[in-house]
Amino acid sequence: DVKVTQSSRYLVKRTGEKVFLECVQDMDHENMFWYRQDPGLGLRLIYFSYDVKMKEKGDIPEGYSVSREKKERFSLILESASTNQTSMYLCASSLGTSGILEQYFGPGTRLTVT
Amino acid sequence: GNSVTQMEGPVTLSEEAFLTINCTYTATGYPSLFWYVQYPGEGLQLLLKATKADDKGSNKGFEATYRKETTSFHLEKGSVQVSDSAVYFCALSDQNSGYSTLTFGKGTMLLVSP
Repeated sequence: DVKVTQSSRYLVKRTGEKVFLECVQDMDHENMFWYRQDPGLGLRLIYFSYDVKMKEKGDIPEGYSVSREKKERFSLILESASTNQTSMYLCASSLGTSGILEQYFGPGTRLTVT
Repeated sequence: GNSVTQMEGPVTLSEEAFLTINCTYTATGYPSLFWYVQYPGEGLQLLLKATKADDKGSNKGFEATYRKETTSFHLEKGSVQVSDSAVYFCALSDQNSGYSTLTFGKGTMLLVSP
């Protein structure tokens, strides 16, 4: 079974802090993704990565950056956290082989910025 | 761009009732279609998928058929259980610019009472 783990289930940070959310997958997947999930808005893609050190902007990249130094690890960084970044953050990975498109999700990190 | 529209919830049913959650999509090309389920406090899990027109995906008593003529992928189950209470997301594969991402609907909450 594919396993995607996220470093924290719950996180509380103060406005202006730098926040790191970590995601690790154990199935040698090429692609990794960060989403945020908000009530009434569903899942929105923040950034994704299709290879080590490569990244692409998703639909809502503003206020976020990412890092992928190793294939299994994908980090989401909030350079200066703001209250409107309070949300559930979900990491996912996918194999990357043509025709195999499904993504596997971690349990999520619920971030509260006060 | 691609989009997915799901019926708004919550859908409230009694145990053993028949379930339909509607999903329609707009896409260029021939996307793959997915249903994901999110149980309370957890990440998303792949429920079923279909990769081409007229394919039927099925899992755990749930079914959905890829209907290209109506651009739909409705989720059905003949007899729901209390344990099916969750949020259900319809999604399609998006391969713009050569990258494989997923576009999600906003989710439909299902509440099943005993």
